[in-house]
Amino acid sequence: ETGVTQTPRHLVMGMTNKKSLKCEQHLGHNAMYWYKQSAKKPLELMFVYSLEERVENNSVPSRFSPECPNSSHLFLHLHTLQPEDSALYLCASSQEEDSPLHFGNGTRLTVT
Amino acid sequence: QKEVEQDPGPLSVPEGAIVSLNCTYSNSAFQYFMWYRQYSRKGPELLMYTYSSGNKEDGRFTAQVDKSSKYISLFIRDSQPSDSATYLCAMSGPGQGGKLIFGQGTELSVKP
Repeated sequence: ETGVTQTPRHLVMGMTNKKSLKCEQHLGHNAMYWYKQSAKKPLELMFVYSLEERVENNSVPSRFSPECPNSSHLFLHLHTLQPEDSALYLCASSQEEDSPLHFGNGTRLTVT
Repeated sequence: QKEVEQDPGPLSVPEGAIVSLNCTYSNSAFQYFMWYRQYSRKGPELLMYTYSSGNKEDGRFTAQVDKSSKYISLFIRDSQPSDSATYLCAMSGPGQGGKLIFGQGTELSVKP
C-alpha cells in the first residue's frame, strides 16, 4: 500500500461534466494538499488543508472545489472545466505544514 | 523574476558521470530546501531535505545549500540509467504554511 493513493489515474471529461478526484493518505499526516502540474511549468499549489481545515486557497477558480472530510481523505470536485485545465493533479500530505511533502502518483486529467 | 529558477534541460550524460543540478532563488527567508525526483507517470518523491546552509550526503547524492548566494545544488556521483528522471528543487520559509515553491524541474537522461 503506497503512502498516498490517488484515483483515478486517468480522466477524460467534457467541459460540461462533473467529476471528482480522490486522494487517500495512509501515513497519519495532518496536512493534505492539491497541486497542479502542467508541462514545462513549476508545480502550482491549489489548496492546503491542515487538520481538516482549509488554510490556503491559492486563487483557484471556483470550478475547482476541494473537500476534506477527515485527515486521511481529500477530494477535488470538478465542474465546467476548460481545456487549459488539462494537467496532472497531484495530491500530497505532510506531518505538519513545514514538513516535506509526500506525493501520490497523480491523476492525468484531459478536458475535451 | 521567478522566486525559484531552475534550468529545465534536458540534460544528457553518459553512465558514470557526475551530475550537477542547480537552482537559484530570490527570497532570503527560505530555510527549508528539498530535492524531489519524478519518474515518468509517477508523482515526485523526496530525495533530499536540508535545513539552512551546508551539505548533506546520502549515498551517491549530495545536496548543497549556499544561502549567501541563494543557490542550491544536487550532485549525483556515478550516475546510472535508473537516475533518468526529472529533478525538482523546492523550498520554503518558516510560517509559510507548507507553501513549497518549486522550480520548473530539470529533465536528466543517463545513457548506458
